[in-house]
Amino acid sequence: DIQMTQSPSSLSASVGDRVTITCRASQSISSFLNWYQQKSGKAPKLLIYAASSLQGGVPSRFSGSGSGTDFTLTISSLQPEDFATYYCQQSYSTVTFGGGTKVEIK
Amino acid sequence: EMQLVESGGGLVQPGRSLRLSCVASGITFDDYAMHWVRQAPGKGLEWVSGISWNSGSIDYADSVKGRFTISRDNAKNSLYLQMNSLRAEDTALYFCAKDIMLVYGSGSYFVSWGQGTLVTVSS
Repeated sequence: DIQMTQSPSSLSASVGDRVTITCRASQSISSFLNWYQQKSGKAPKLLIYAASSLQGGVPSRFSGSGSGTDFTLTISSLQPEDFATYYCQQSYSTVTFGGGTKVEIK
Repeated sequence: EMQLVESGGGLVQPGRSLRLSCVASGITFDDYAMHWVRQAPGKGLEWVSGISWNSGSIDYADSVKGRFTISRDNAKNSLYLQMNSLRAEDTALYFCAKDIMLVYGSGSYFVSWGQGTLVTVSS
């Protein structure tokens, strides 16, 4: 099975900060990597698919990059509504989620 | 408007069974693969099982293989998860999720999710 490792597991940031979350796969997954945002008690929301494609309706401050084993989610200017937990997900071989990164207010 | 609504959760004793349901509306249900994803209290997301549009492809996480069975009834726009031999570690909020593809696989991603149904396994 493919393991997905996210880092950091949590971070504190201020409104307006640039935030970067990384996700590493245990083997190459090409670009079959997706990112989700989850707010407490709610269903996850798709942000990025295929490593770098922005899902419709998602603000352009969110971006994704990477291929192979190393991927990045970047929030260019953190907004109050962005405080949440973020998960990467690979779909190269069945499905696996990363452990999550909680973005908290500094 | 597209909607997924889960039901069937509850409190169950270890070793017993439970059947979850997910009803879809606002979509052509048999155009998509479907999945179950769970989240234990205070933990991350864990993919549980996936099923292709025609039930021809089915897969499970190792943690539930042999105990859980996924199925769908396209005529009823419904997805199911039969959970047998339940364990305390199966306690979680169970979400159903719609894939973008007919047959899940490389390129799958989950565009729509239900709000979840809570399963608590405890004596």
